[in-house]
Amino acid sequence: QKEVEQNSGPLSVPEGAIASLNCTYSDRVSQSFFWYRQYSGKSPELIMSIYSNGDKEDGRFTAQLNKASQYVSLLIRDSQPSDSATYLCAVNGGSSNTGKLIFGQGTTLQVKP
Amino acid sequence: NAGVTQTPKFQVLKTGQSMTLQCAQDMNHNSMYWYRQDPGMGLRLIYYSASEGTTDKGEVPNGYNVSRLNKREFSLRLESAAPSQTSVYFCASSPQRSAIYGYTFGSGTRLTVV
Repeated sequence: QKEVEQNSGPLSVPEGAIASLNCTYSDRVSQSFFWYRQYSGKSPELIMSIYSNGDKEDGRFTAQLNKASQYVSLLIRDSQPSDSATYLCAVNGGSSNTGKLIFGQGTTLQVKP
Repeated sequence: NAGVTQTPKFQVLKTGQSMTLQCAQDMNHNSMYWYRQDPGMGLRLIYYSASEGTTDKGEVPNGYNVSRLNKREFSLRLESAAPSQTSVYFCASSPQRSAIYGYTFGSGTRLTVV
């Protein structure tokens, strides 16, 4: 079992719809969770971080964390073509607590006009 | 504020050649990291430096060496390049050893080994 798992996609949604991206992780004691956006040919950019159970909203983005289910998700409301990118889930603070982020393989999102 | 700066941006090497990828950050971060990104493999940690003066192996260290020259700079060296090292290399930094606030990435180096 991979430490951080994401569906590689592509996930295709129409413009204006809600995009839902999901991530599961294996280390139950993980403490910090991140979503990065990566445009083709560019470097990852941090867009959301979440540390406690529940929802965290920032503009059109909402991160959701459920530690009991070892599940973190990212919702993008009113999706725009400019949101088309690969979204990487990253997890930190597991049993080793060495400060290293473990990344999922990423989900490619396509927003169609 | 430049953040994390990587050089070069592109490089083509012949098998067996050596080169050093440079990384510098101006955010006074303590921890620095080198990742490689390959299609279908995601981001894999090569080496990291939790603080100035320390370095540790990551998931895929074979064929690489690193130097934490000072708090700002963390270089990655390929001693004898192999085609399997064709990849995109990202340097990243974080304020604290725990990386609780995540990383800031450099723009990447696209390396091709022929």
